[in-house]
Amino acid sequence: DGGITQSPKYLFRKEGQNVTLSCEQNLNHDAMYWYRQDPGQGLRLIYYSQIVNDFQKGDIAEGYSVSREKKESFPLTVTSAQKNPTAFYLCASSLGVLSNQPQHFGDGTRLSIL
Amino acid sequence: QQQVKQSPQSLIVQKGGISIINCAYENTAFDYFPWYQQFPGKGPALLIAIRPDVSEKKEGRFTISFNKSAKQFSLHIMDSQPGDSATYFCAASSVTGANSKLTFGKGITLSVRP
Repeated sequence: DGGITQSPKYLFRKEGQNVTLSCEQNLNHDAMYWYRQDPGQGLRLIYYSQIVNDFQKGDIAEGYSVSREKKESFPLTVTSAQKNPTAFYLCASSLGVLSNQPQHFGDGTRLSIL
Repeated sequence: QQQVKQSPQSLIVQKGGISIINCAYENTAFDYFPWYQQFPGKGPALLIAIRPDVSEKKEGRFTISFNKSAKQFSLHIMDSQPGDSATYFCAASSVTGANSKLTFGKGITLSVRP
């Protein structure tokens, strides 16, 4: 089955630690996205990538970093500079970056602070 | 500045009733309006979407109504079922431009009582 796989499902971060969230897709999509979801806040865009080796900041990129070395993979690193990292993180992909191409989401990673 | 506003914040409907969720937008350049459905612990899934060249689109029990002059669109769920209980997000974007992005509303929680 084609889809988006996010791992791990739950992740705990210690103070001062960087953690990396994995996102893999087998839909052959060019565009990939990372969103942060907080209760009552909707989805906010962190980073997105149109093609391999290219990515752009979204609305809340501070304290996060990404890479896009392979078409299938778009990992997100939550750095120690992100002071409020507790949230539900969602990865998505679409055929292209144009918005009328549906975005398909993974089932998320819930990040908490120890 | 919240560009996409949903109402109500939460909704309780009896089984078999009609659920109506409203969304208002500010950016007149928006021309693609999807609705997403999210169950607890899962990623959002595209439910139905509309372009402003039509005033209504129906897919099964789900209908989008669009009012361009009022800059509003709504989701109607006919014959609501307990399985429809979920969080619903409206979103909007412009298909023009090289870096179109989806702007999401904050979401509303729908509970359908048996």
